[in-house]
Amino acid sequence: EVQLVESGGGLVQPGGSLRLSCAASGFTVSSNYMSWVRQAPGKGLEWVSVIYSGGSTYYADSVKGRFTISRDNSKNTLYLQMNSLRAEDTAVYYCARLAYLSGSYLDYWGQGTLVTVSS
Amino acid sequence: EIVLTQSPDFQSVTPKEKVTITCRASQSIGSSLHWYQQKPDQSPKLLIKYASQSISGVPSRFSGSGSGTDFTLTINSLEAEDAATYYCHQSSSLPQLTFGGGTKVEIK
Repeated sequence: EVQLVESGGGLVQPGGSLRLSCAASGFTVSSNYMSWVRQAPGKGLEWVSVIYSGGSTYYADSVKGRFTISRDNSKNTLYLQMNSLRAEDTAVYYCARLAYLSGSYLDYWGQGTLVTVSS
Repeated sequence: EIVLTQSPDFQSVTPKEKVTITCRASQSIGSSLHWYQQKPDQSPKLLIKYASQSISGVPSRFSGSGSGTDFTLTINSLEAEDAATYYCHQSSSLPQLTFGGGTKVEIK
């Protein structure tokens, strides 16, 4: 059974850093395209970043230069390093798997982890 | 950037009624359009892939149609458990993914 479990969220001051983790089971992270999607309180879904099976990474303009997506193959875990955090980064962060081979739709999602940026 | 515009933003519907949600893309995206359901305090769940392809385990009352720039999600005979926010998502401009603004469906 495919499972994604996020952790690492919490309260952080503006300008601070946080690293989110997404532990996967039931499939191999490194063989799939993996993405982070966030949702600000009461708002819609916003794509944040993706890492392809070959290692290429891409980011939304709103987080480029501040966030870094990575994975640890030995731990089958996806990460999102978030630096220079701003109030507008406050959101629930979901990790999700993009469909195998096509990389088109998000077929499995984690339960999300809340990041609050506030002084 | 491809922009997805959903309508309506909100819909209040009685059980057994038919629900239609539309998603319009700012440029042609073929069939690279997918639908998700998000119930309160839950993560999104895939409902329909590639505009009209069904997903295993999703009730048959959910269906999708469209291609190019105009897409529709239809819920036939709405049930109480269908109260949720529905999002469209396009994958034509990979690696960038974009989502529609969402349509909240409330049960009267």
